[in-house]
Amino acid sequence: AQSVSQHNHHVILSEAASLELGCNYSYGGTVNLFWYVQYPGQHLQLLLKYFSGDPLVKGIKGFEAEFIKSKFSFNLRKPSVQWSDTAEYFCAVILGNSGGYQKVTFGTGTKLQVIP
Amino acid sequence: DVKVTQSSRYLVKRTGEKVFLECVQDMDHENMFWYRQDPGLGLRLIYFSYDVKMKEKGDIPEGYSVSREKKERFSLILESASTNQTSMYLCASSFGEWETQYFGPGTRLLVL
Repeated sequence: AQSVSQHNHHVILSEAASLELGCNYSYGGTVNLFWYVQYPGQHLQLLLKYFSGDPLVKGIKGFEAEFIKSKFSFNLRKPSVQWSDTAEYFCAVILGNSGGYQKVTFGTGTKLQVIP
Repeated sequence: DVKVTQSSRYLVKRTGEKVFLECVQDMDHENMFWYRQDPGLGLRLIYFSYDVKMKEKGDIPEGYSVSREKKERFSLILESASTNQTSMYLCASSFGEWETQYFGPGTRLLVL
């Protein structure tokens, strides 16, 4: 069974600091990768996704993520965080092209707190 | 904009009660999902449905059942609520199985 690991459970940064949140998955085949974000009191929503093509994916609000197949990783980055980025971030993986109906597996989430 | 609505934001039930959580989406999505979200455990899939009257077990289906009689509506049923089912329940929908999921606001359920 596939698994998704987010090693950072709680990250505290000052505004303007750079951010990198780790995401590793266990499956060696074709994968579709997502980062979702949940701002305080709001719905979970898509930040960015990777299906194929350029492994560097850009999302909303200045976020980007890089798919490194050899490392089974899809880390989320932002060069300069803002207080409004305070939220919980979830990595998610769906196996692609493996036949049958595939369900998404979410990581355990990383809470980001940005201090003004 | 896709809209996914859930019948209640907060619910308090007693142990042994039958609990219905309703979810409605307005974008004609084929797929619908029920998750529970617990601190430190992330989102765990309970059940999903890829068509009307179809359902598939997720990772933690025990103690739950679902119903999808209409394409836009997906219900989660706790046949006999227990305290360990106290959680935040999230509904989601998507057009294709590999596509972006759109989430509802969640129902925070407390079982006493």
